[in-house]
Amino acid sequence: NAGVMQNPRHLVRRRGQEARLRCSPVKGHSHVYWYRQLPEEGLKFMVYLQKENIIDESGMPKERFSAEFPKEGPSILRIQQVVRGDSAAYFCASSHRQGNTEAFFGQGTRLTVV
Amino acid sequence: GQQLNQSPQSMFIQEGEDVSMNCTSSSIFNTWLWYKQEPGEGPVLLIALYKAGELTSNGRLTAQFGITRKDSFLNISASIPSDVGIYFCAGHRDDKIIFGKGTRLHILP
Repeated sequence: NAGVMQNPRHLVRRRGQEARLRCSPVKGHSHVYWYRQLPEEGLKFMVYLQKENIIDESGMPKERFSAEFPKEGPSILRIQQVVRGDSAAYFCASSHRQGNTEAFFGQGTRLTVV
Repeated sequence: GQQLNQSPQSMFIQEGEDVSMNCTSSSIFNTWLWYKQEPGEGPVLLIALYKAGELTSNGRLTAQFGITRKDSFLNISASIPSDVGIYFCAGHRDDKIIFGKGTRLHILP
């Protein structure tokens, strides 16, 4: 996990609250991917971003979920009005160029909705 | 949608045994990847395969990219306790990495 930093590692939210997950990519990487992992499942693609652009959000629910990767600062995955079904591990990966398969993953944020 | 079928779902083996797991897909992928995930951690890339038919080794790990570009296998030789974890195959296409559901490797003492 060469330098991708995610925080917080664990996040507990009550139903209806907002969750904000942060991802700082490897220094110099301008491509960020977000994945969601349910227990006993593989990782499911959510969204692919470059600096200031969303390239592919085909895996992200249309409502309540949004993602950004500003020119400065970390990428943010935002979940509004969380529900119990949003409880999962959310992983971020970064790479230094488009189509680079050697993406490095962070340690994930484990979201629990109570 | 794109799906990867990974088997077996779990394995219980004795330390020192060799391990083999595989992954198939109905779709062609440009690149096959094998990751390992340990509890509470993110996936770590083990091997990347870029060409159909390619056979690549990384220490005790060997992986091959199938000729049809729709399958791959991973072998681990002489397993040791630290090999325990979940092994994911993944295919790369259209800027996405698509993951299988994983093979959970358990090593018996």
